[in-house]
Amino acid sequence: DVKVTQSSRYLVKRTGEKVFLECVQDMDHENMFWYRQDPGLGLRLIYFSYDVKMKEKGDIPEGYSVSREKKERFSLILESASTNQTSMYLCASLDAAQSQPQHFGDGTRLSIL
Amino acid sequence: QQQVKQSPQSLIVQKGGISIINCAYENTAFDYFPWYQQFPGKGPALLIAIRPDVSEKKEGRFTISFNKSAKQFSLHIMDSQPGDSATYFCAASTTGTASKLTFGTGTRLQVTL
Repeated sequence: DVKVTQSSRYLVKRTGEKVFLECVQDMDHENMFWYRQDPGLGLRLIYFSYDVKMKEKGDIPEGYSVSREKKERFSLILESASTNQTSMYLCASLDAAQSQPQHFGDGTRLSIL
Repeated sequence: QQQVKQSPQSLIVQKGGISIINCAYENTAFDYFPWYQQFPGKGPALLIAIRPDVSEKKEGRFTISFNKSAKQFSLHIMDSQPGDSATYFCAASTTGTASKLTFGTGTRLQVTL
């Protein structure tokens, strides 16, 4: 079974802080994704990566950056956290070559005070 | 701009009834349409998916109906059970795979006894 692990289930930070959300997958997947989930808005793609050190902007990249130094790890960075970034953040990985579904972690609920 | 419109936002169905969730899209380049199921505290997980070369796909109690001309697809849950209570997301992709999914806004389903 594919396992996607997000380092924190709950996180509380203050406005202006630099925040790191970590995601690790154990299946050697090339593609990894960061989404945010908000009530009534569904899942919106922030950034994705199709290989180490490669990244592409998703639909809502403003205020975020990402890092992928190793294949199994994909980090989401909030450069200067703001209250409108309070949300549930979901990480996913995918082996696109095998026509498999995206496998999601259980999410990090981030509150910015 | 919502590329995949999902309705209803919430749904209450009695045990044994049929749950129906609808999605509509505009982008005719979409060629892969999965449904994801999410339980509280968990990440979404693939439930069932369809490609536009077929009009219906059934897996157990779950059926996707696809209408290419109307640009609509729907999820039918037959004999709904309390264990089906979850949030359901439709999604679409232009890559023929689960890469770069555009998600609907989600439907919270509650199945009552």
